[in-house]
Amino acid sequence: GESVGLHLPTLSVQEGDNSIINCAYSNSASDYFIWYKQESGKGPQFIIDIRSNMDKRQGQRVTVLLNKTVKHLSLQIAATQPGDSAVYFCAEKGGGGSNYKLTFGKGTLLTVNP
Amino acid sequence: EPEVTQTPSHQVTQMGQEVILRCVPISNHLYFYWYRQILGQKVEFLVSFYNNEISEKSEIFDDQFSVERPDGSNFTLKIRSTKLEDSAMYFCASSEPLGRGKLFFGSGTQLSVL
Repeated sequence: GESVGLHLPTLSVQEGDNSIINCAYSNSASDYFIWYKQESGKGPQFIIDIRSNMDKRQGQRVTVLLNKTVKHLSLQIAATQPGDSAVYFCAEKGGGGSNYKLTFGKGTLLTVNP
Repeated sequence: EPEVTQTPSHQVTQMGQEVILRCVPISNHLYFYWYRQILGQKVEFLVSFYNNEISEKSEIFDDQFSVERPDGSNFTLKIRSTKLEDSAMYFCASSEPLGRGKLFFGSGTQLSVL
């Protein structure tokens, strides 16, 4: 079946350090992956996405890496700031005839210590 | 920046009562969604809506649930007879083209069924 999960439920880093949040997925037919950030009391906010025909994509201070061989997705945040503290979700789409449904992982709580 | 707005932010209801959760998607978006998040759990897909009809729904979205776009701006989720297990944060989302995962989420409606 399809599932998206996270390796670590919590991550604590010092301000200025780089953060790496990991995600495993099991649906090999998934063709699109997204990272969302959720701050307390808010809805998920899009961070970055990547298609299955890519293995790396960079944004502003963020990089997503996709390893299809081991079905692993990671989000790297450079120079982590206190404002980055939030829950981070990976999500996947595609496969199994679904074009609309995003399947979310459970989330990793990132805490940035000043 | 355009955003998805949801009302009310909190809704308390008695078991068996009907509730309607309201959403105003981003104005030029064509695809609309409802997701929910039970406290401490994953964000779960409920339903997607396009061209005035449901395009996909999950097993959670049973006959007690319905969606409607009553006019050109609102998108509603109705739960006909609420159950205790319907207590959750309900998120509305919208997106532009089919096949893209860049959903824009509202801040959610916290539904508490007593």
